Amino acid sequence: DAGVIQSPRHEVTEMGQEVTLRCKPISGHDYLFWYRQTMMRGLELLIYFNNNVPIDDSGMPEDRFSAKMPNASFSTLKIQPSEPRDSAVYFCASSSYTGGQPQHFGDGTRLSIL
Amino acid sequence: QQPVQSPQAVILREGEDAVINCSSSKALYSVHWYRQKHGEAPVFLMILLKGGEQKGHDKISASFNEKKQQSSLYLTASQLSYSGTYFCGTEWTDSWGKLQFGAGTQVVVTP
Repeated sequence: DAGVIQSPRHEVTEMGQEVTLRCKPISGHDYLFWYRQTMMRGLELLIYFNNNVPIDDSGMPEDRFSAKMPNASFSTLKIQPSEPRDSAVYFCASSSYTGGQPQHFGDGTRLSIL
Repeated sequence: QQPVQSPQAVILREGEDAVINCSSSKALYSVHWYRQKHGEAPVFLMILLKGGEQKGHDKISASFNEKKQQSSLYLTASQLSYSGTYFCGTEWTDSWGKLQFGAGTQVVVTP
């Protein structure tokens, strides 16, 4: 079975540019999560969706960040405008319905903002 | 409200044992354990549910103490492949599906 697929794997761009990260969850999974990982802050939950609906976006750092899930097989995380402090590894994960289910992580996008 | 993991790091020789602890300040529904190797994604190891028994995966097992809202991960007879950073993810009873991850415990197993 295909796992969670993220693209791109690496992104290097200049400050002020728009960045779009993409995620395809595992088929049949109802929950989708976006995480950010840095040395300083560890693994932080940014936002999560249930059945394509955003449930909790309290982890989104500021208005420059936005996330959408237009259908069950696709989600985007957008940063506009980007800043050097946004440099991090961004992971997408998905899980099936109800609590107590494992989250399956994609390989991540390593983002560098110059 | 991030769970507290201890120790921060541990160095083991092959064959030695280690315990990693994870404590929550809120009532838990489940505790998830993941291992992440450098440059890779976290990989799911196991889940312990409220009211559930101790789980095991090869020579890695875990327990869940509901009274203390704490979980422990046991690495037994460690192998070189056990090296990596171990994270606990706590799922609270009032927010199903959402995990709060600890800061991680770096494990280094040497020959």
